[in-house]
Amino acid sequence: DTAVSQTPKYLVTQMGNDKSIKCEQNLGHDTMYWYKQDSKKFLKIMFSYNNKELIINETVPNRFSPKSPDKAHLNLHINSLELGDSAVYFCASSQVLGYHNEQFFGPGTRLTVL
Amino acid sequence: AQKITQTQPGMFVQEKEAVTLDCTYDTSDPSYGLFWYKQPSSGEMIFLIYQGSYDQQNATEGRYSLNFQKARKSANLVISASQLGDSAMYFCAMREGQAAGNKLTFGGGTRVLVKP
Repeated sequence: DTAVSQTPKYLVTQMGNDKSIKCEQNLGHDTMYWYKQDSKKFLKIMFSYNNKELIINETVPNRFSPKSPDKAHLNLHINSLELGDSAVYFCASSQVLGYHNEQFFGPGTRLTVL
Repeated sequence: AQKITQTQPGMFVQEKEAVTLDCTYDTSDPSYGLFWYKQPSSGEMIFLIYQGSYDQQNATEGRYSLNFQKARKSANLVISASQLGDSAMYFCAMREGQAAGNKLTFGGGTRVLVKP
């Protein structure tokens, strides 16, 4: 029933570790996104994939590597985690061709790096 | 320059009253869309309303309406008859033309607290 799902919902880890966040959408959308929300609630695009092709990479450190195995999935792998990576990460999806292409957001993954 | 500006970091509103949340934007693209999202304390992002740059009429969705003033580049959200459940962060966002990859650029948000 869930439109955009993310796992895990909470992630607590040590500096230097590698972790992944998974995202799946069952809306049949062709575009998926990763956004980062910092401690001041500011939301910023990180990546966007359209039909499994990377179309946006917003000057994100290359420790972050998105992977889209198919249109319904977009995962985010983070290497060598740093304190500044602590944030809420949102996955979203939309259909590019459509009236207003509203983006549907997942519930978010709260990442805490200790 | 900021593409989306929300000048009100926080505001109180009395239950059952209307509240206007300000949003101004900056783009040179003639084709764009403006969105409002609500983020309650539980953290999810909920889509509220959309206004396209070519739309002739202001968008409305239930108790939400958008006061779109294109020449002034503003897209204020009006919530009528506020309810306690309207207490949340509200974000204005813009999607520029296809060349921008359909990403949303967000404002800093406005925290609304509805008082009983």
